[in-house]
Amino acid sequence: DAGVIQSPRHEVTEMGQEVTLRCKPISGHDYLFWYRQTMMRGLELLIYFNNNVPIDDSGMPEDRFSAKMPNASFSTLKIQPSEPRDSAVYFCASSLGTGGRSYNSPLHFGNGTRLTVT
Amino acid sequence: DAKTTQPNSMESNEEEPVHLPCNHSTISGTDYIHWYRQLPSQGPEYVIHGLTSNVNNRMASLAIAEDRKSSTLILHRATLRDAAVYYCILRDVYRSGANNLFFGTGTRLTVIP
Repeated sequence: DAGVIQSPRHEVTEMGQEVTLRCKPISGHDYLFWYRQTMMRGLELLIYFNNNVPIDDSGMPEDRFSAKMPNASFSTLKIQPSEPRDSAVYFCASSLGTGGRSYNSPLHFGNGTRLTVT
Repeated sequence: DAKTTQPNSMESNEEEPVHLPCNHSTISGTDYIHWYRQLPSQGPEYVIHGLTSNVNNRMASLAIAEDRKSSTLILHRATLRDAAVYYCILRDVYRSGANNLFFGTGTRLTVIP
């Protein structure tokens, strides 16, 4: 199993540009999570999906952020327009729910995308 | 939400046992105790979880106090690869927000060769 795969590993862009981060979850997992990590705020949940449907997006900072999951094997997190304060490491994670619940299922994280907005 | 308290940092000598403490004095009866660790330049990695009884797996052991207000993650023989930030997290299986793991600041473990 290749684990959760994220791309790109590093992204450097200028303020105002559109940024798209990609994630391939572990095959068979029905939950997908997007987290952001900064020195100031640590790890924060942005949004999570169950069976490709967004369940909780209360952590999405603002309308500049959007996430989609068009199928069970792919998700994107888009920032448009990007700002310097969006600079962070963005992690995708997936887990396997049991009977529709995932509360004790371990989250499997990718190695993240380090985003730098200048 | 019940939160956890961990020391900011700890050191251990290589090949010696490490006991990483976590206080969770406001834990509820339905909170499970989860541990994750994050190695440098990697995403967090699940280590272990438990409810009331002590738990063992290939990575570590979890010792839970009888009153459940504290727990200890035990690495039986620290290796250099165990140098990481260790997070103690509570998950309430009956709460709808249980998928929002609160990682906190964790304990940074340094392993000395």
